Amino acid sequence: DVKVTQSSRYLVKRTGEKVFLECVQDMDHENMFWYRQDPGLGLRLIYFSYDVKMKEKGDIPEGYSVSREKKERFSLILESASTNQTSMYLCASSPTQEPSYEQYFGPGTRLTVT
Amino acid sequence: QKEVEQDPGPLSVPEGAIVSLNCTYSNSAFQYFMWYRQYSRKGPELLMYTYSSGNKEDGRFTAQVDKSSKYISLFIRDSQPSDSATYLCASPGGGFKTIFGAGTRLFVKA
Repeated sequence: DVKVTQSSRYLVKRTGEKVFLECVQDMDHENMFWYRQDPGLGLRLIYFSYDVKMKEKGDIPEGYSVSREKKERFSLILESASTNQTSMYLCASSPTQEPSYEQYFGPGTRLTVT
Repeated sequence: QKEVEQDPGPLSVPEGAIVSLNCTYSNSAFQYFMWYRQYSRKGPELLMYTYSSGNKEDGRFTAQVDKSSKYISLFIRDSQPSDSATYLCASPGGGFKTIFGAGTRLFVKA
């Protein structure tokens, strides 16, 4: 069974803290993605990675960084959490072959920054 | 203008109704269209996809694309309470990226 797991379902952090969100996939997919999902705004791409140690900025990378040291693991880092980063964070993976129709999503991490 | 636009709803229908969910897109280069379903407190999952114009049917679900008007539809026949979810339309946006609509929340009342 295809699986994308995220390290936490719910997370509460204080303003200014450094926050790590971890994502692991077991499908040997090359591509991994981090999105945030907010009401009325839908899914917005923060960063994606198409190979180990490779990363590209998405639509809203400001205030975030990522790390991909191993193929199966993609981490999202909030360098200094702010209240406007309170959101649902979704990780996804997809295979490389074009066109990559399907992205497999994790269950999401609901982050609250107080 | 967003590349994929979708009415957020919510849409509330009685059980057994035919549901029509719609999206518009602006990029005429889009060739593939997908519908994802997202249950509460879960990540989205691919429901079905279709290529170019025409219809694709899968059980109670039919995806339809009208490229001339840049209109994407998902029809659900004999809707069930278990269909209550948020439905997101999407299209590959170049490279390995996917452009998602904002999602429409659907409630099917028993």
